[in-house]
Amino acid sequence: EIVLTQSPGTLSLSPGERATLSCRASQSLTSNFLAWYQQKPGRAPRLLIFGVSSRATGIPVRFSGSGSGTDFTLTISRLEPEDFAVYFCQQYDSTPLTFGGGTKVDI
Amino acid sequence: QEHLVQSGAEVKKPGSSVKVSCKASADTFNTYAINWVRQVPGQGLQWMGETIPKFGTENYSQKFQGRVTITADKSTTTAYLELRGLKSDDTAVYFCARGTAFDTGGHSYFHGFDVWGQGTAVTVS
Repeated sequence: EIVLTQSPGTLSLSPGERATLSCRASQSLTSNFLAWYQQKPGRAPRLLIFGVSSRATGIPVRFSGSGSGTDFTLTISRLEPEDFAVYFCQQYDSTPLTFGGGTKVDI
Repeated sequence: QEHLVQSGAEVKKPGSSVKVSCKASADTFNTYAINWVRQVPGQGLQWMGETIPKFGTENYSQKFQGRVTITADKSTTTAYLELRGLKSDDTAVYFCARGTAFDTGGHSYFHGFDVWGQGTAVTVS
C-alpha cells in the first residue's frame, strides 16, 4: 500500500498569503496519478486537482499542483477567506487508493 | 449539476450490519465507478472499495475484504455499501464518490473523485 505523508499538519496563515502544502509518497507514482481535495467541516471533500496539476471544473486559478515521483505540492497563490479548510492528497497509482492525513490551513 | 444522494444516519449495535445507499443519475451509473470512502471523526479518509455498474464488477480494499459488500442496482441506479460485524471503531461518516469513467470504446480515465454524496453518519454503540 502506498502511504502518503502530508506536511505540515497545520499551516497558520493570513488572507492574501501564499500557502504551500506538501505530500510525499512512500514509493514513486509511476504515472501522474495524484489528486488534491479540500474539505470544510461537516461537508464532503471537493476535488481541486487531478493528474498532479490539472484543475477540476470551476476551481480558481490560484490553486495549482506540481511534482513528480514521490514529492508533490499544492500551492494556493493568495489565500481567500473561503480557502481556510483541510486539504488531502490522494494517489490512484495503485490499489488500495490512499489518502494523506491532511493539512489544515487556518488563520 | 450531478449529485449523489445518500441514505440517512444510522445507529447500530456492535456485531450487527449496516447498509448505506447512494442514488446516482443514469448517466453516472452507466459511465462511472462508484466508490465508497469513510472518515472517522476528526481523522483522514479511507477508501473501502468500488463498484463498476457498467461491467457488474467490484474492487475492495483488502482491509475490509470479507466484511464489506458493495453492490449496484441498475434498475434504480443506486449503489449500496453493506458492512458486517460492526465494531465501535467503524463509527464514521461514509461517503460515496464518482470515480473512474469508462467510455464506449472500452477506455477508462480517472479525473479524481469529482462528485460526492453528502455522507452518511454511522454510529456503532
